Amino acid sequence: AQSVAQPEDQVNVAEGNPLTVKCTYSVSGNPYLFWYVQYPNRGLQFLLKYITGDNLVKGSYGFEAEFNKSQTSFHLKKPSALVSDSALYFCAVREDYGQNFVFGPGTRLSVLP
Amino acid sequence: DTEVTQTPKHLVMGMTNKKSLKCEQHMGHRAMYWYKQKAKKPPELMFVYSYEKLSINESVPSRFSPECPNSSLLNLHLHALQPEDSALYLCASSSNRGGGGETQYFGPGTRLLVL
Repeated sequence: AQSVAQPEDQVNVAEGNPLTVKCTYSVSGNPYLFWYVQYPNRGLQFLLKYITGDNLVKGSYGFEAEFNKSQTSFHLKKPSALVSDSALYFCAVREDYGQNFVFGPGTRLSVLP
Repeated sequence: DTEVTQTPKHLVMGMTNKKSLKCEQHMGHRAMYWYKQKAKKPPELMFVYSYEKLSINESVPSRFSPECPNSSLLNLHLHALQPEDSALYLCASSSNRGGGGETQYFGPGTRLLVL
């Protein structure tokens, strides 16, 4: 069975500093990994995904994520955080030919001015 | 255009009411999903439609009844709900061309309050 862990409920970072939101996963087959962001009272917005190929994936709004197969991780990163990045971030995994996402519990990111 | 629309944005209903949530996409996607999300929690999958046929029902109570009239529309009919059903209901769609790398695109959600 597939599962996703986001070990930090809350991440605080100062504006302009780099940010990292952590995600680890467990699947029996090939993993397909996704990051979504959710602003208050809004739906989920797709940021980026890893399917195959380069381990470093670049996505929307300057975000990137690094796939690490040996550590089963897919951490989300941004070189310089903005106050507007403050939101709830979800990591999700899907296995080959599955329709279901499994979402992590979410990490609340607060970027302080 | 990667837009999924949902109506209404907000809904307040009593436990004896019947109401419907509506979701629409014009991306040519052939898979559509309903999720339920409680505050500060991840979305929970309720139903999946694939090529307008119900393919997954995650043991959802019968007071929730999904309908997919065509490839662009997805409805969720609500009847005799309980206060604990109050949540954000999210619709999503994906291309359904196969493979695990498909992106699901989410609508803004309907905030439901059951009194």
